[in-house]
Amino acid sequence: DGGITQSPKYLFRKEGQNVTLSCEQNLNHDAMYWYRQDPGQGLRLIYYSQIVNDFQKGDIAEGYSVSREKKESFPLTVTSAQKNPTAFYLCASRRVWGSGANYGYTFGSGTRLTVV
Amino acid sequence: GQQVMQIPQYQHVQEGEDFTTYCNSSTTLSNIQWYKQRPGGHPVFLIQLVKSGEVKKQKRLTFQFGEAKKNSSLHITATQTTDVGTYFCAGLDNYGQNFVFGPGTRLSVLP
Repeated sequence: DGGITQSPKYLFRKEGQNVTLSCEQNLNHDAMYWYRQDPGQGLRLIYYSQIVNDFQKGDIAEGYSVSREKKESFPLTVTSAQKNPTAFYLCASRRVWGSGANYGYTFGSGTRLTVV
Repeated sequence: GQQVMQIPQYQHVQEGEDFTTYCNSSTTLSNIQWYKQRPGGHPVFLIQLVKSGEVKKQKRLTFQFGEAKKNSSLHITATQTTDVGTYFCAGLDNYGQNFVFGPGTRLSVLP
C-alpha cells in the first residue's frame, strides 16, 4: 500500500542537540511538506518542496533545515537554534501536477519530539 | 497574507445532535479542503470543493462552499462518538502555492 512513513514516532532530544526526522513516501507525489502542530493548535508550515533539489521556507522555518535529494524523501533537521522545538511534527505529500480530482494532502503519522 | 479562520474553536454535543463548523477566509479561494484529525492521530483528507455554491455529501457529512468562495461549512447530522476529533479546513487562494490551514474545530461527542 502507498503512503507516507515518518520515523521515529517518539523522539527525545537534549537541549543543544540537532535531530533529524525522517519522512519517506511511495505515492509518487511531487510535493512534500513539513508542519508543526502544538497542543490544541492548528498546522503551521515549516518547509515545503515541489521538486527534487528545491525547497522553500514556510511560515516558521527559523531553526529548521531540510533537503530533497530524492523525490521520495524529505528529512527535517531540528537544529539547536530552534528555541522551542517540543511539538508534534507532521510530514505530508501532495500531487500538484497532472490530471485527477484529488489534490488533498496525505499525512504521515507524525513524530512527537520532546526536548529534555 | 491569506488568513483562514474557523468557528467555533470547541464544540461539545450530545450523541445524536447535529454539528456545524464554519470556515472563513480573508481572500477569495480557488479551492477549499476539509480534514479530520482523530485524537492522537494525523489529519486525514475528507473532501475538496472548487465551485461556487458547491454542496457535497458523504453519508452524514455535508460540505458547502460559499457563493463568494470566501467561506465554507461542514455539517454533521446525528453525531456519533466516532465523529470525535478536530476538523480543519484548508484554503488555496488564487495566488498561493500552498493551502493555508485553519486552526480547527475540536468536536467532543458525549454518549
